[in-house]
Amino acid sequence: AQSVTQLDSHVSVSEGTPVLLRCNYSSSYSPSLFWYVQHPNKGLQLLLKYTSAATLVKGINGFEAEFKKSETSFHLTKPSAHMSDAAEYFCVVSKWSNTDKLIFGTGTRLQVFP
Amino acid sequence: DAGVIQSPRHEVTEMGQEVTLRCKPISGHNSLFWYRQTMMRGLELLIYFNNNVPIDDSGMPEDRFSAKMPNASFSTLKIQPSEPRDSAVYFCASSLEYEQYFGPGTRLTVT
Repeated sequence: AQSVTQLDSHVSVSEGTPVLLRCNYSSSYSPSLFWYVQHPNKGLQLLLKYTSAATLVKGINGFEAEFKKSETSFHLTKPSAHMSDAAEYFCVVSKWSNTDKLIFGTGTRLQVFP
Repeated sequence: DAGVIQSPRHEVTEMGQEVTLRCKPISGHNSLFWYRQTMMRGLELLIYFNNNVPIDDSGMPEDRFSAKMPNASFSTLKIQPSEPRDSAVYFCASSLEYEQYFGPGTRLTVT
């Protein structure tokens, strides 16, 4: 069965410092992996996706994630946090087809302090 | 494209009333998903359609919930009768390939 585990429910960083949001996945086949962001009172927006192409995936707003099969991880990083990055971030896994379910992690709330 | 459109954005109703939430997917997308988000349970998939056909409704809480997709450009999620525990934000999402695009959500409050 597929699952994702977001290792931190809350992460706090200072503006201008690096961001690391951790995600481990479990899947019996080659998964598709995603990161979504949800700003307060907004819908979810796709940040980036991994679908068995390059293992280092670049997304919007300067975020990137690296697929590491040996560690079953898909951590989200950004070199320098901005105040506007404060939001909830979801790590998501699915099979390869659009008819399959997305399995959402429990989310990590990112706070950015000035 | 305007993205996924949901209506209403906010709904306040009394317990026992019928509630209908509406969704217009992105044109050309062939899959549509209904989710519910609460603080206690996070984001839950309720049901999804592919080419207007329900594929998996195992997430629908109970018989009070029903969803339809009469054509490729419209879907409804109905709750009858509504209960206070149905209070949540309901999201609709559509997809063509791997990526799901979410609407802004409907915030439902049942008093």
